[in-house]
Amino acid sequence: EAGVAQSPRYKIIEKRQSVAFWCNPISGHATLYWYQQILGQGPKLLIQFQNNGVVDDSQLPKDRFSAERLKGVDSTLKIQPAKLEDSAVYLCASSLALDGEQFFGPGTRLTVL
Amino acid sequence: AQSVTQLGSHVSVSEGALVLLRCNYSSSVPPYLFWYVQYPNQGLQLLLKYTSAATLVKGINGFEAEFKKSETSFHLTKPSAHMSDAAEYFCAVSGAAGNKLTFGGGTRVLVKP
Repeated sequence: EAGVAQSPRYKIIEKRQSVAFWCNPISGHATLYWYQQILGQGPKLLIQFQNNGVVDDSQLPKDRFSAERLKGVDSTLKIQPAKLEDSAVYLCASSLALDGEQFFGPGTRLTVL
Repeated sequence: AQSVTQLGSHVSVSEGALVLLRCNYSSSVPPYLFWYVQYPNQGLQLLLKYTSAATLVKGINGFEAEFKKSETSFHLTKPSAHMSDAAEYFCAVSGAAGNKLTFGGGTRVLVKP
């Protein structure tokens, strides 16, 4: 069974630029999560989707971050404009259902200069 | 609200020695508790989880954890460390209603030959 796929794996941008990350969850998984993991910290949930609807985006900085999950499969996370403090690893995870085990992708490491 | 505290951001053990990683949680509802492992440049992998069944939980790779409600703890142990155990370990908690994970800050384990 293929795991959660993310791209790109690494991205370097300058502050005020925009960036987008892509996630392809495990086939059949209805629930998708985006986490932000700042160096030296644990992952923090940014947004949770159930199919193509948002379940929780309470910790998403909506002035600069946006996410969508069209058709309830792939998802993209966008930052516009990026700030220095957005430098982190962005992890995508998926689960079969809302209360299912989460499976994590390898992450996208973002560096904002 | 839920929170997780992991005591010690770095732990160094000798190969063959006991591994003990400490985790204390705070939760206003009966918690679900998890331990994840993260190898360099990889996503998180579930080691084990507590879901209100047996208080002693056995996981993969010889790890186990004991839920102690009176101490609000969920410490992770392994009797004999292997070089392959060198990684970062995260404790996480979620409420009974769903699986929104709140992570601790992580403990990096170094195994000395």
